[in-house]
Amino acid sequence: AQSVTQLGSHVSVSEGALVLLRCNYSSSVPPYLFWYVQYPNQGLQLLLKYTSAATLVKGINGFEAEFKKSETSFHLTKPSAHMSDAAEYFCAVRATGANNLFFGTGTRLTVIP
Amino acid sequence: GAGVSQSPSNKVTEKGKDVELRCDPISGHTALYWYRQSLGQGLEFLIYFQGNSAPDKSGLPSDRFSAERTGGSVSTLTIQRTQQEDSAVYLCASSLVFGGHTEAFFGQGTRLTVV
Repeated sequence: AQSVTQLGSHVSVSEGALVLLRCNYSSSVPPYLFWYVQYPNQGLQLLLKYTSAATLVKGINGFEAEFKKSETSFHLTKPSAHMSDAAEYFCAVRATGANNLFFGTGTRLTVIP
Repeated sequence: GAGVSQSPSNKVTEKGKDVELRCDPISGHTALYWYRQSLGQGLEFLIYFQGNSAPDKSGLPSDRFSAERTGGSVSTLTIQRTQQEDSAVYLCASSLVFGGHTEAFFGQGTRLTVV
């Protein structure tokens, strides 16, 4: 079955520092990959998605992610953290030809002023 | 409204009682998903619907859990004889079509507390 692994359940960064949230997938065939964000007491919203059109994907709020087949990774980055980025971030995968969408366990990002 | 709507937003129930959670997907969305979010557990897939049929029920935790969808629209997740371990946030999502890079849109969830 498709799965994603998010390394680090909690990540803390200083305001203005680089944000790096890790996601690795398990699949021999590159799947479709997504990053969602959940702000406190809110539902999940899509940050960005990998569709095979480009390996570097830009999303909302200055986030981007790079698909690396050789590393089976889809890490999320942002050059400069803002206080408003504090939230929980979920990586999700959908296998090629499949319908279901599976999520990782999430990474809670704390931004320190 | 334009988004996925879930009701109730909060539900407190006594152990052993049955509960029904409702999801109204975005109009026209053919796929509908149910997930459970427990503290520290991420999003656990429960079931998804293509139209009114559920091709994959493998995520339902036990036979106390069931779900249905009618008219290709509203879905109800029913939990019978609730247990304390059922306490969680239940999330519903819908997407326009199936598979590929189609985005799933999420509701705000129903927070279920079993006391």
